[in-house]
Amino acid sequence: DVKVTQSSRYLVKRTGEKVFLECVQDMDHENMFWYRQDPGLGLRLIYFSYDVKMKEKGDIPEGYSVSREKKERFSLILESASTNQTSMYLCASTSLRRLGFFYGYTFGSGTRLTVV
Amino acid sequence: QQQVKQSPQSLIVQKGGISIINCAYENTAFDYFPWYQQFPGKGPALLIAIRPDVSEKKEGRFTISFNKSAKQFSLHIMDSQPGDSATYFCAASSEAGSYQLTFGKGTKLSVIP
Repeated sequence: DVKVTQSSRYLVKRTGEKVFLECVQDMDHENMFWYRQDPGLGLRLIYFSYDVKMKEKGDIPEGYSVSREKKERFSLILESASTNQTSMYLCASTSLRRLGFFYGYTFGSGTRLTVV
Repeated sequence: QQQVKQSPQSLIVQKGGISIINCAYENTAFDYFPWYQQFPGKGPALLIAIRPDVSEKKEGRFTISFNKSAKQFSLHIMDSQPGDSATYFCAASSEAGSYQLTFGKGTKLSVIP
């Protein structure tokens, strides 16, 4: 089974801190994604990456940056954490195609970040 | 045009009943329609998926019904159980969109004994 591991389940950070959320996948997937999940708003895409050192903005990139130095690792960075970034953060990965088909995403278990 | 609209936002069903969640889309290029199930404190997990060349797909108590002309698809959970209580997300993707999934906003299902 594909495994997507997020390094922390729960994090509490102070306003203004620089925060790193780490995600590692073990199936050599090309594509990785960061979402945030908030009640009533569903899953909102922050950033995604199709390859090492590549990154693309999603729907809500403001206040965030990402890093992908190795294929298996995709990091989300909150440059200066704010209280409105308190949320559940989900990482996902996928392989573009196998046998011509797309098989959907595999998600990590999430990191619940609280900014105080 | 990229939206996927999901309803209802929340659903309460008696044990043994049928749970039905609906999704509608506009982008006719979508060619993959998965449903994800998410339990509290966990990430979403792929539950079942369908491609537009079939109108229905069944896996155990879970069935996707797909209506290409109406651009709608739905998840039916037969004989709903308390263990099915979770949030369900529909999604869609296309080759033209590099297979990036567009998600509905989710439905919180509660199955009461």
